[in-house]
Amino acid sequence: GNSVTQMEGPVTLSEEAFLTINCTYTATGYPSLFWYVQYPGEGLQLLLKATKADDKGSNKGFEATYRKETTSFHLEKGSVQVSDSAVYFCALSATGNKLTFGTGTQLKVEL
Amino acid sequence: DVKVTQSSRYLVKRTGEKVFLECVQDMDHENMFWYRQDPGLGLRLIYFSYDVKMKEKGDIPEGYSVSREKKERFSLILESASTNQTSMYLCAALSGTSGRGYQETQYFGPGTRLLVL
Repeated sequence: GNSVTQMEGPVTLSEEAFLTINCTYTATGYPSLFWYVQYPGEGLQLLLKATKADDKGSNKGFEATYRKETTSFHLEKGSVQVSDSAVYFCALSATGNKLTFGTGTQLKVEL
Repeated sequence: DVKVTQSSRYLVKRTGEKVFLECVQDMDHENMFWYRQDPGLGLRLIYFSYDVKMKEKGDIPEGYSVSREKKERFSLILESASTNQTSMYLCAALSGTSGRGYQETQYFGPGTRLLVL
């Protein structure tokens, strides 16, 4: 079956530090890959996505590249801000419009 | 702007009670989903619906049922609440008109935090 593995948190960084959150997946076929973000007290919202190999999704300074050869979709940001503190979920969708999520990674950014 | 609303942000119920969680979307989307979110487990799919009166089991349907009488509304029902159903419940909606729903964005509600005592 489909599965998503992402690094455990919490990840604590100083403001302006570089961020990487690792995500790898197992899926049949050609899945679409997503990063969703959950700010405190809110539901999930899409951060970025990529629908085919070598695509790069980007939004709000975050980027992730769909790497089929390594089955990965790592999230990166060059300079994090306190406002980026949230829980980040990697997810895939292969068939049936259903999302399979990773366990989530909590990011804390300190001044 | 797209909007998915859930009837309650916080809910406290007693063991054995019947619980209704309501979700409404204003996007005219065909597909709707119910997930539960637990620490260390991420989000797990309980049920989903791809059309009015249609439903399919997700990964963890035991102890839950759903109802979709109108396109915009998808209800999650806990027939007899138990303490292990204490969790955050998230509803989502997805357009199905493109035929490529697996590439589309799911839009989430703010969640209902349910405590079963």
